[in-house]
Amino acid sequence: LAKTTQPISMDSYEGQEVNITCSHNNIATNDYITWYQQFPSQGPRFIIQGYKTKVTNEVASLFIPADRKSSTLSLPRVSLSDTAVYYCLVGLSGGSYIPTFGRGTSLIVHP
Amino acid sequence: ETGVTQSPTHLIKTRGQQVTLRCSSQSGHNTVSWYQQALGQGPQFIFQYYREEENGRGNFPPRFSGLQFPNYSSELNVNALELDDSALYLCASSFPGQGQGIATQYFGPGTRLTVL
Repeated sequence: LAKTTQPISMDSYEGQEVNITCSHNNIATNDYITWYQQFPSQGPRFIIQGYKTKVTNEVASLFIPADRKSSTLSLPRVSLSDTAVYYCLVGLSGGSYIPTFGRGTSLIVHP
Repeated sequence: ETGVTQSPTHLIKTRGQQVTLRCSSQSGHNTVSWYQQALGQGPQFIFQYYREEENGRGNFPPRFSGLQFPNYSSELNVNALELDDSALYLCASSFPGQGQGIATQYFGPGTRLTVL
């Protein structure tokens, strides 16, 4: 299983763009990269998933360089409600996947 | 479409007791995974059930066991409770093989277990 490394915490202000980088040096060829968001006392919520280059949805963008050894979650114009813990997961496509969560990145958005 | 639900919301037990937690998966999902989340930590994978069979297990002792029923709902049973079992227990359902990539996990709100 590919191990991931993320910053433990980050601070930002409302309206700013936030970029959270995850390192996954031993990512395997068939591994996908998935990001989840978790608010206190709630279950994690899927944000975005990608394999290479760039993926964008209504919530975030995911940038993956050619070597795929890292990925960056980009949150445009954050608000106070984006204060949460963000997890990066790396794993195999298909049914036999055991999701491995690290400690995540605690993002605090200030007024 | 009904989301993932878990019961009970909160539970207090004493050391040595047994507990059963329940999870109803999202409609159409045939896979359920259980996680333990201690305070300040990320969720730790306990095990996964796919079509009523255990389909993977994390580093948890045998006193953590589970079941998945024909309607894909699931139970997590923990015997001989220890103080360190106090945590938020999360259930997530998914439908592997639906498109490319890793099947999205849809999490329930969790059950907060306190062992005294």
